[in-house]
Amino acid sequence: GAVVSQHPSRVICKSGTSVKIECRSLDFQATTMFWYRQFPKKSLMLMATSNEGSKATYEQGVEKDKFLINHASLTLSTLTVTSAHPEDSSFYICSASGGLDTQYFGPGTRLTVL
Amino acid sequence: SQELEQSPQSLIVQEGKNLTINCTSSKTLYGLYWYKQKYGEGLIFLMMLQKGGEEKSHEKITAKLDEKKQQSSLHITASQPSHAGIYLCGANQISSGSARQLTFGSGTQLTVLP
Repeated sequence: GAVVSQHPSRVICKSGTSVKIECRSLDFQATTMFWYRQFPKKSLMLMATSNEGSKATYEQGVEKDKFLINHASLTLSTLTVTSAHPEDSSFYICSASGGLDTQYFGPGTRLTVL
Repeated sequence: SQELEQSPQSLIVQEGKNLTINCTSSKTLYGLYWYKQKYGEGLIFLMMLQKGGEEKSHEKITAKLDEKKQQSSLHITASQPSHAGIYLCGANQISSGSARQLTFGSGTQLTVLP
């Protein structure tokens, strides 16, 4: 149990385009989902926390207009990187929690912006 | 904010050897999580510790949380190449509330030589 999927696993896009990443909890209802960013050989950096049906809470320094997060249902959250630039290239990982439970992580999405 | 320090940063051991990874916090840990990550992939949940002095084991991996709840250790017995990866400790930032945010340590890169 507690499986979280992410789609796509890899995406390459041109600078200036927008990219949407999906995070799904497959076998449980996720009241809260988290989005992280990870740079090569670095730890995870929390970007934002999203609760189903409400606006996401962004960490300091994360542009909410650049990284749009939607958590429309208990099994799906999306992260849209708008007007992507090469510096947005990174490994994005989501996690999902059913409440007070452990966070379960997706397999990650590698974004490359040319 | 809570900071987690992991040591060592990297570890190379011969197959069959035991090893220990440490995670130290500047503040009381309300929940301590251990995850394993293969580079470029998602995080696999290993164990969660909450109570001072708690110890949990799964197969050849044992995690402990000290009585003061500021330090945790992850011990692998008779290591195998399948244990190789990045081990991350994560801790809840606050003591109450739902789906609490995690702060992660910088990770320990484990290599097991056959």
